[in-house]
Amino acid sequence: AQSVAQPEDQVNVAEGNPLTVKCTYSVSGNPYLFWYVQYPNRGLQFLLKYITGDNLVKGSYGFEAEFNKSQTSFHLKKPSALVSDSALYFCAVRDANTGGFKTIFGAGTRLFVKA
Amino acid sequence: KAGVTQTPRYLIKTRGQQVTLSCSPISGHRSVSWYQQTPGQGLQFLFEYFSETQRNKGNFPGRFSGRQFSNSRSEMNVSTLELGDSALYLCASSLDSANYGYTFGSGTRLTVV
Repeated sequence: AQSVAQPEDQVNVAEGNPLTVKCTYSVSGNPYLFWYVQYPNRGLQFLLKYITGDNLVKGSYGFEAEFNKSQTSFHLKKPSALVSDSALYFCAVRDANTGGFKTIFGAGTRLFVKA
Repeated sequence: KAGVTQTPRYLIKTRGQQVTLSCSPISGHRSVSWYQQTPGQGLQFLFEYFSETQRNKGNFPGRFSGRQFSNSRSEMNVSTLELGDSALYLCASSLDSANYGYTFGSGTRLTVV
């Protein structure tokens, strides 16, 4: 069975500081990993994905994520946070090998960036 | 190009009734997935369809059903509504949900009273 955990309900960061939103996953095969963002009163938006290749993946709005197979993690990062980054962030995983044909989402982490 | 369109945006239903939600994916997308979003449970997987075939189903009772048409449009139906079915129902489409991310619709907010 596949699962994904976001250990922090909330992350608080000052504007201009680096941010990290944590995600760990569990799949029986190789993972496909995704990050999505949900802004207030707006739909979920795709940020980035890891399928294969380089462990550091770059996505929209200056975000990047690092795939770490040994730690089964896929943490979302940004070098310098903006107030406008305040939103709800979801990590998601799909098992590439078992053909389960479902993408499972974490519970979400709310990011607050203070000016 | 047009995004994922979900109709209706809001619904209020009474316990015991049934409801049908509709989703029109982005043109060319053949994969459609449905999720239930609630504050307490987050995003829960309901179904995934590809070219009119249900490829997987989440852990929901049989009251929840869905289908996909030849034009990739999808519907989900909930029968015998319960108060706990109140949620935001999200539809997501993709060229291929394994290798591409989803594009989500704005959702249908269902309230059961």
